[in-house]
Amino acid sequence: GAVVSQHPSWVICKSGTSVKIECRSLDFQATTMFWYRQFPKQSLMLMATSNEGSKATYEQGVEKDKFLINHASLTLSTLTVTSAHPEDSSFYICSIPGGVGFYNEQFFGPGTRLTVL
Amino acid sequence: SQQGEEDPQALSIQEGENATMNCSYKTSINNLQWYRQNSGRGLVHLILIRSNEREKHSGRLRVTLDTSKKSSSLLITASRAADTASYFCATDAVGTSYDKVIFGPGTSLSVIP
Repeated sequence: GAVVSQHPSWVICKSGTSVKIECRSLDFQATTMFWYRQFPKQSLMLMATSNEGSKATYEQGVEKDKFLINHASLTLSTLTVTSAHPEDSSFYICSIPGGVGFYNEQFFGPGTRLTVL
Repeated sequence: SQQGEEDPQALSIQEGENATMNCSYKTSINNLQWYRQNSGRGLVHLILIRSNEREKHSGRLRVTLDTSKKSSSLLITASRAADTASYFCATDAVGTSYDKVIFGPGTSLSVIP
């Protein structure tokens, strides 16, 4: 399966600043990547689908102007949390779909923990 | 959005016992997957069962799928302390993007040594 990395693994920032999180596929070309958010003791909530070469598709209720997604290449997607506030503090996880060959198994990054003070 | 419910929300058992977790979903699916997440970590894929399959095994894991009831169960036999984690089911939905999966709320499993 695919090996997925995220950077940084954790970040602390002040309220009002912007934070960029990277998701990289190390050995798999991915035209699609997914971004999830997970609050403590809760499940993963799909935020958006990152599409290489085109705009991201956001889930209902997710502010696209706040969570900017750029799928720069077949191996890199970035999520920028703009003007972060304490309520944005969460665990952000990306995934790459394995596609038909892997029966749609998702390969997950290790996650990025964001704390906004 | 989430597909459905998992129960129990939390489960505590003694090492050596079996653990059973259930997952229900709302829409017709192509596949259902189970994942494990250790505290504060990423997800690990456990097993995938296709909509035309009823049961699947992998080591100490046994997954069943009942599409008529829109439900699945994950059984972990002879549990170990290292099985302590949160377990999530995830489903795609027929008619939506093939790659997109939605997670259930999860079951938190504690295995006491």
